Amino acid sequence: DVKVTQSSRYLVKRTGEKVFLECVQDMDHENMFWYRQDPGLGLRLIYFSYDVKMKEKGDIPEGYSVSREKKERFSLILESASTNQTSMYLCASSFPLSNQPQHFGDGTRLSIL
Amino acid sequence: DQQVKQNSPSLSVQEGRISILNCDYTNSMFDYFLWYKKYPAEGPTFLISISSIKDKNEDGRFTVFLNKSAKHLSLHIVPSQPGDSAVYFCAASADTNAGKSTFGDGTTLTVKP
Repeated sequence: DVKVTQSSRYLVKRTGEKVFLECVQDMDHENMFWYRQDPGLGLRLIYFSYDVKMKEKGDIPEGYSVSREKKERFSLILESASTNQTSMYLCASSFPLSNQPQHFGDGTRLSIL
Repeated sequence: DQQVKQNSPSLSVQEGRISILNCDYTNSMFDYFLWYKKYPAEGPTFLISISSIKDKNEDGRFTVFLNKSAKHLSLHIVPSQPGDSAVYFCAASADTNAGKSTFGDGTTLTVKP
C-alpha cells in the first residue's frame, strides 16, 4: 500500500515565523505535490516537483517555497508565515502519467496566530 | 479561468437512492478524469477514473459517465450508503502535463439513513 506521510497533523505557529512542512512517500513516485484546501475553494496546487531538485510553481506559489533533495521527501516552506496561510495543507505523490492517481497524506492543519 | 467545475457544492440523498455528482471541464486536452473521495481529517483517496476514449467505467456501486462533446462527466453511486457521505473531487489530467491534475472545488455528499 502506498504511504504518504506528513510530519504533523496539527501545527500552530506565529506570524513571521519560518515554517517547514515535511512529506515522505514510500512508492518511488517521481511526482510530488503540495496543495492547500480551504472551504469552498477545493484543492489548490502550491508547488509541484517532477524529480529530485526539480520544481514547478502551481496556482498559488506566493509566500511559499519547496525543497526536494531526495526522491522520497518533499518539503514546503513558509518563508514568513502570515495569518492568511492558515489552512489545511495536503501532500501527494504519483507516477508521471495522466492515468495514475495521486496518493495523498492525511494533511496538516496549520494555524498562524 | 477554472478549467474543472463542480457546480453543486452539496448534495443530500436518502440511503438506497442514487447519488449523481456532476463535473464540467473546459480544456479539450484533458485525456483522463479521476474522482477522489475525502472524509474529514483525512486526505483524498482515489475512487474511480475514466479515459477520454471511453464513455463509461463501472466499479461496483460506482459508475462514471463521460460526455466528451458536452465536456461533462458524472459519478453515479447506486445504492447510496451513509458511509458514502464525504466530499467528492473531480480531477482532470492531460498526458502533456506529466501527471499533474486540475481539481474541481468538490461536492459534499450527505447520505441520510
